[in-house]
Amino acid sequence: NAGVTQTPKFQVLKTGQSMTLQCAQDMNHNSMYWYRQDPGMGLRLIYYSASEGTTDKGEVPNGYNVSRLNKREFSLRLESAAPSQTSVYFCASRPGATPYEQYFGPGTRLTVT
Amino acid sequence: GESVGLHLPTLSVQEGDNSIINCAYSNSASDYFIWYKQESGKGPQFIIDIRSNMDKRQGQRVTVLLNKTVKHLSLQIAATQPGDSAVYFCGLNTGGFKTIFGAGTRLFVKA
Repeated sequence: NAGVTQTPKFQVLKTGQSMTLQCAQDMNHNSMYWYRQDPGMGLRLIYYSASEGTTDKGEVPNGYNVSRLNKREFSLRLESAAPSQTSVYFCASRPGATPYEQYFGPGTRLTVT
Repeated sequence: GESVGLHLPTLSVQEGDNSIINCAYSNSASDYFIWYKQESGKGPQFIIDIRSNMDKRQGQRVTVLLNKTVKHLSLQIAATQPGDSAVYFCGLNTGGFKTIFGAGTRLFVKA
């Protein structure tokens, strides 16, 4: 099992450009998450999908959109990138409402200039 | 709303000593607490969890203590090793799909 995979690992964008971060899990988990991690601020939830076909906003959703393509895949889109979106992005999954343990991908380091 | 804070952003310990990483939370409705370890360049990895109806839980070389009276959570690592060097996050869950994370404590292990 690969667990949670993310592509790309690194990305540099110019302000105003768009891109999609891809995430896939092979653990048959129902719930998937997107977080951003900034220095000194811990993990902040952008969007989550409790189950296939549903998505909900987290703590910091502005400037992002998500798509739960199927049970395995959950993508994060930046329509018009801004320097404030420079961050490390993590995708995570968990079986469902319980257990609470989440499994994280290796992250995507995004720089917006 | 809920918040989670760690007491120290960094902690430096001697190899072989015990490490204690602390976390404070504000939400009394939290029913589940979890610790993650994040090594440099990697995603967080689950270490141990504890439910609100427990005071203590032990794993392999790790112990989590929960004091609901003062809303305090700690992670104890016994006989700290160089491989324990990482950032440690606490998280809390109130029964839904979302987990609130603290900012993390970076643990340095001196040889």
